[in-house]
Amino acid sequence: DAKTTQPNSMESNEEEPVHLPCNHSTISGTDYIHWYRQLPSQGPEYVIHGLTSNVNNRMASLAIAEDRKSSTLILHRATLRDAAVYYCILRDVDDSGNTPLVFGKGTRLSVIA
Amino acid sequence: DVKVTQSSRYLVKRTGEKVFLECVQDMDHENMFWYRQDPGLGLRLIYFSYDVKMKEKGDIPEGYSVSREKKERFSLILESASTNQTSMYLCASSQPLHSGETQYFGPGTRLLVL
Repeated sequence: DAKTTQPNSMESNEEEPVHLPCNHSTISGTDYIHWYRQLPSQGPEYVIHGLTSNVNNRMASLAIAEDRKSSTLILHRATLRDAAVYYCILRDVDDSGNTPLVFGKGTRLSVIA
Repeated sequence: DVKVTQSSRYLVKRTGEKVFLECVQDMDHENMFWYRQDPGLGLRLIYFSYDVKMKEKGDIPEGYSVSREKKERFSLILESASTNQTSMYLCASSQPLHSGETQYFGPGTRLLVL
């Protein structure tokens, strides 16, 4: 799987939007972009994923650059419960499906009240 | 909702003990995984299994073994626990991870080896 680069940490004020960047300059045409997050003292949980088009769900939005070399996870209104480590992961759609996701170190998001 | 449960949230063992960490999933998933997580090192894959009685080594299998006798259960075994195996252990399961499949994680077991 291609490599991703994320900032180690970010900070946001409560109720403001948060843009979490991810660079993946070596992404291949068949790589999906996945985002997971890990709340304190819990296992990671799925947030969102996409291939080329921007995606929205109840948790977040995913904006994918036109060249797909970067993406941004958008939390529209950060709450204290959004404080977590956010992981950006690439997954090849042609993969057999049996190999696991590879987690990097992610971005630790702090939310200030 | 998918549920992945782990037998203990916290565990304290002594050096040299044999330790069993159990993981059960209730969604008939084919794949199951064991990771450990340490500060500054992120999640590292220990072993995974894509079918009953099948197992594959991950990045750091040394000192561990696994067992998958039933589809819903995946056990991680520390044959002789050592202090450097003190860590948070996370189990996960999924259907085959094509494009959009999600990997579901348990709450983790925090193991302390004295």
